[in-house]
Amino acid sequence: AQTVTQSQPEMSVQEAETVTLSCTYDTSENNYYLFWYKQPPSRQMILVIRQEAYKQQNATENRFSVNFQKAAKSFSLKISDSQLGDTAMYFCAFMIGTYKYIFGTGTRLKVLA
Amino acid sequence: SAVISQKPSRDICQRGTSLTIQCQVDSQVTMMFWYRQQPGQSLTLIATANQGSEATYESGFVIDKFPISRPNLTFSTLTVSNMSPEDSSIYLCSVEREGGYTFGSGTRLTVV
Repeated sequence: AQTVTQSQPEMSVQEAETVTLSCTYDTSENNYYLFWYKQPPSRQMILVIRQEAYKQQNATENRFSVNFQKAAKSFSLKISDSQLGDTAMYFCAFMIGTYKYIFGTGTRLKVLA
Repeated sequence: SAVISQKPSRDICQRGTSLTIQCQVDSQVTMMFWYRQQPGQSLTLIATANQGSEATYESGFVIDKFPISRPNLTFSTLTVSNMSPEDSSIYLCSVEREGGYTFGSGTRLTVV
C-alpha cells in the first residue's frame, strides 16, 4: 500500500526561528514526485515545494528547503526564518503516474510572535 | 499559476437533498480533479473529469453519488447526491499547473 505519514499533528515555532516538519512515505514505485502543500485557514491549497524522486539534490524555495532521503523514504520540510504568515496546515504528498496524489494527514504549524 | 473559482464556498443542506459544486478555471485544462477533505483528514481524490468523456472515479466513489459534468475545458461541476451527514466535508477541485496542482478554495458542506 502507498502511504504518507506525518507523525507530528501539531508544531509551534517562534518567529524567526527554524522548524522542520517530518514526512515519511511508502511506495514500491521508483519514479514519483514529492510535494509539500500549505493550507492556510482560507483552505486554499498552496504548493510550497516539489521534489522529483530521481533528483538527488534537495529542492529549495526561498526560506523552504527539503531533506530528501530516498532510501529512507523520508521527505522533511525545513522552514527558516519563520514568519507569522507561515502559520498553516502543511501536507506532505507524493504523486505517482500522471496525477494521483497520496496525501499525509497534515501538520498544523503555528508561528508564535 | 491558474486561478480557480469554486462555488459555493459553503452550504448547509438537508439530508436527502443534492448539492452541485461549480469549478471555473481561468484557462483551458485537460483534466480537472475533485477532492474531498473530511474533518481532520487529508485530501482524497474523488474523480478525474476529462472534457468530452465520463469522469473516472476512485475506489469508494461512484457516479450515482457524485455525478460530474465537464462541458468544456474551463468548467466542471460535482454533485453530491442524496446527502447524509457523512457527506459533510470540504470539497475541492484542482488542476495541474506549473509542476504542481492548484486547488480551488473549497466548498464546505454541512449536512444536517
